[in-house]
Amino acid sequence: KAGVTQTPRYLIKTRGQQVTLSCSPISGHRSVSWYQQTPGQGLQFLFEYFSETQRNKGNFPGRFSGRQFSNSRSEMNVSTLELGDSALYLCASSLGSGIDTEAFFGQGTRLTVV
Amino acid sequence: EDKVVQSPLSLVVHEGDTVTLNCSYEVTNFRSLLWYKQEKKAPTFLFMLTSSGIEKKSGRLSSILDKKELFSILNITATQTGDSAIYLCAVMGGGSQGNLIFGKGTKLSVKP
Repeated sequence: KAGVTQTPRYLIKTRGQQVTLSCSPISGHRSVSWYQQTPGQGLQFLFEYFSETQRNKGNFPGRFSGRQFSNSRSEMNVSTLELGDSALYLCASSLGSGIDTEAFFGQGTRLTVV
Repeated sequence: EDKVVQSPLSLVVHEGDTVTLNCSYEVTNFRSLLWYKQEKKAPTFLFMLTSSGIEKKSGRLSSILDKKELFSILNITATQTGDSAIYLCAVMGGGSQGNLIFGKGTKLSVKP
């Protein structure tokens, strides 16, 4: 079955702009989580959506937001981009209900802010 | 504050060696511990551990969890150059299934 799909794969934006990243989870998975990965900080949790509701949120400023659609696809938006937002953005999907289940990652979107 | 600490941060070995990667954690309401291998982009899932003392095995890789001492190890036997990657340990805690807390990773380099 198809894995987690993230688009676009690469993105270059200018400071002050906004950006929207997309994540399509594995079919049947209802939970989508977003992570930011930078060399200095490693992987950091942004937020998690389950059944179109934000279920958990990490310690990121309000410029980072997201949403989930009825087909479980999720988007992440970053407004007023800063140089420090340059990172690999990964999304992970999981079944999201019941007892713990594995989370599977997409290939990521490499965002460069100039 | 929840944290996951991996050691060593980097490791260089030769093919055929056996390596042990360490992961210790302090996480509120621990639910599970996961190991991932990251080569270029997407971390690929290796193991999920929820119970102490039960070894999970997949080929040359194995892992075990100690919930009393709050750590896990990942063993790789007879290493190959294809094992070169960053190995990430993550802990699921708190009230949500989606919040994985990651360690900084161990960068493993296997030389021929």
